[in-house]
Amino acid sequence: DIVMTQSPDSLAVSLGERATINCKSSQTVLYNSNNKNYLGWYQQKPGQPPKLLIYWASTRESGVPDRFSGSGSGTDFTLTISSLQAEDVAVYYCQQYYRTPPTFGQGTKVEIK
Amino acid sequence: QVQLVQSAAEVKKPGASVKVSCKASGYTFTDYGISWVRQAPGQGLEWIAWISTYTENIDYPQKLRGRITLTTDTSTSTAYMELRSLTSDDTAMYYCARDGNIYFENSGRAEYFDLWGRGTLVTVSS
Repeated sequence: DIVMTQSPDSLAVSLGERATINCKSSQTVLYNSNNKNYLGWYQQKPGQPPKLLIYWASTRESGVPDRFSGSGSGTDFTLTISSLQAEDVAVYYCQQYYRTPPTFGQGTKVEIK
Repeated sequence: QVQLVQSAAEVKKPGASVKVSCKASGYTFTDYGISWVRQAPGQGLEWIAWISTYTENIDYPQKLRGRITLTTDTSTSTAYMELRSLTSDDTAMYYCARDGNIYFENSGRAEYFDLWGRGTLVTVSS
């Protein structure tokens, strides 16, 4: 199975500041034939199901605020929240779907400083 | 509206079985596959199964082979997940989630998930 490792496990950011979450896969999730990275990002708030934010590593899901952006390729990826808002407090997960079984990172908890 | 509505919480004894339903509405059921993802209390996300609602192809991890069954009822746009021989390790919130890609763009397995049910809590306790 492809192992997804996120860092840090938690971070506290001031309102309006940038939050950066890293995700590393144990093997590449870049499919050379279509040049797509099979990597998604989700947000989960307490008591709610996960919500898709980003897919194909950098494509923002419809309705997701543009302060959320995804970047990276191959084995190293980043989710950036450019200006943290109070409603962004949540746990964030990366997920690879390059190979079955799809696997998730352990999650990164984002809080307000 | 587009949604997945799951069945109510269940409490089961060790060794029993549970069957969770996931009713889709607001879109064509057979256009998108359905995955099941579980989350143990205070833990992360674990994918446990996928079914193509178009071909009825199924995929699940080796560790659950023999214990899990996926079915669909296209007449009611409902997907079902049955898990047998339950242990305390199966205590979790079970989510159904829709594939982000329509079937003819899907690679024939679970990909990313753009629509989630609210979850069904399954508690296994003696």
